Amino acid sequence: KAGVTQTPRYLIKTRGQQVTLSCSPISGHRSVSWYQQTPGQGLQFLFEYFSETQRNKGNFPGRFSGRQFSNSRSEMNVSTLELGDSALYLCASSPDRYQETQYFGPGTRLLVL
Amino acid sequence: SQQGEEDPQALSIQEGENATMNCSYKTSINNLQWYRQNSGRGLVHLILIRSNEREKHSGRLRVTLDTSKKSSSLLITASRAADTASYFCATVSSGNTPLVFGKGTRLSVIA
Repeated sequence: KAGVTQTPRYLIKTRGQQVTLSCSPISGHRSVSWYQQTPGQGLQFLFEYFSETQRNKGNFPGRFSGRQFSNSRSEMNVSTLELGDSALYLCASSPDRYQETQYFGPGTRLLVL
Repeated sequence: SQQGEEDPQALSIQEGENATMNCSYKTSINNLQWYRQNSGRGLVHLILIRSNEREKHSGRLRVTLDTSKKSSSLLITASRAADTASYFCATVSSGNTPLVFGKGTRLSVIA
């Protein structure tokens, strides 16, 4: 099976812009979670989608949003970008909610200038 | 917020030596997992240990869990240069809660 794919892999934006990141889970996986990784805060949970519904949300402002499509693909959107949003955004999938093994994609590295 | 805290933050060893990393956490858990990350890329799941288990092995990996001390350790035996990576522990508090990661240990294995 193909692994989790994320697009784009690298992205440069300027403050105030918005960005959309995409994640395609492993075929058959219905749960998709998003994480933000920064040197200062480490890996932090953003949100989880299952069956096109957000099931859990981390402690991030409303500028961070996401959605999941019927084929389980997921997108996350960050509006009004701030310098502090520069990070590696990781997507992980699993067959069901919080199955024991999360399968991570390679990440999208976002730089906000 | 971080649940786990890894110790040490960085570790440098010679090839063939053993590497031990420790993780402490704050609240009760359902399970604890270890992941590896190479050079800021995606994470790879290494091993999971449940709260009612004390030790698990997988190849050159040995994980222990002490719930009374809220701590876990990851031992990599006979390390190789390819083991150079960051290692993270992650805890799951209950069935439908997300992974909560520690800040990781950066392991360098020198050939």
